[in-house]
Amino acid sequence: NAGVTQTPKFRVLKTGQSMTLLCAQDMNHEYMYWYRQDPGMGLRLIHYSVGEGTTAKGEVPDGYNVSRLKKQNFLLGLESAAPSQTSVYFCASGRAGVPADTQYFGPGTRLTVL
Amino acid sequence: GNSVTQMEGPVTLSEEAFLTINCTYTATGYPSLFWYVQYPGEGLQLLLKATKADDKGSNKGFEATYRKETTSFHLEKGSVQVSDSAVYFCALSRGGSEKLVFGKGTKLTVNP
Repeated sequence: NAGVTQTPKFRVLKTGQSMTLLCAQDMNHEYMYWYRQDPGMGLRLIHYSVGEGTTAKGEVPDGYNVSRLKKQNFLLGLESAAPSQTSVYFCASGRAGVPADTQYFGPGTRLTVL
Repeated sequence: GNSVTQMEGPVTLSEEAFLTINCTYTATGYPSLFWYVQYPGEGLQLLLKATKADDKGSNKGFEATYRKETTSFHLEKGSVQVSDSAVYFCALSRGGSEKLVFGKGTKLTVNP
């Protein structure tokens, strides 16, 4: 049982390049989330999904797109990376129908945009 | 909107000292409240939680009480250890999708 895994762990991009971050969970969770963590800002929600085929915007969605084609995977895309997207990205998952349930976090992806 | 304010760090303590990290929240209705911990180089993990007023969450010697009258959820530990060195996040959730709203985090360093 691997929990929540994220690929890649580190990445350096040039401004304008694109990339996709992959999150996978093996706990059969309905809910999945993408957060970004910046110094002095805590974690902020980018996008989330309450089930396969559904996505919704979070607090800071601009410049990102997401897809949830399979229940176990949640992809975060950057179409044209900007230096402001330099951050550590965390994926999390959680169960539906369990109020105040724990969210399970992946180890993070450290992205630098030059 | 919903928001969480927690004391700014960093906090540096000696081993066996008493720890308090303050957290207050603003939310409509009755949110659930959480403390998450992030050890160096890792993702976040749940430390404790409380779902209604006057509930006390506890885990690994840490405690926090949901105080509706002061909209607070302060984290306390009577005697910290070096292994408690980490970043601590207060958070709340409201609604069916259980989205978390985080405070900015407080870095704790415990020296031997």
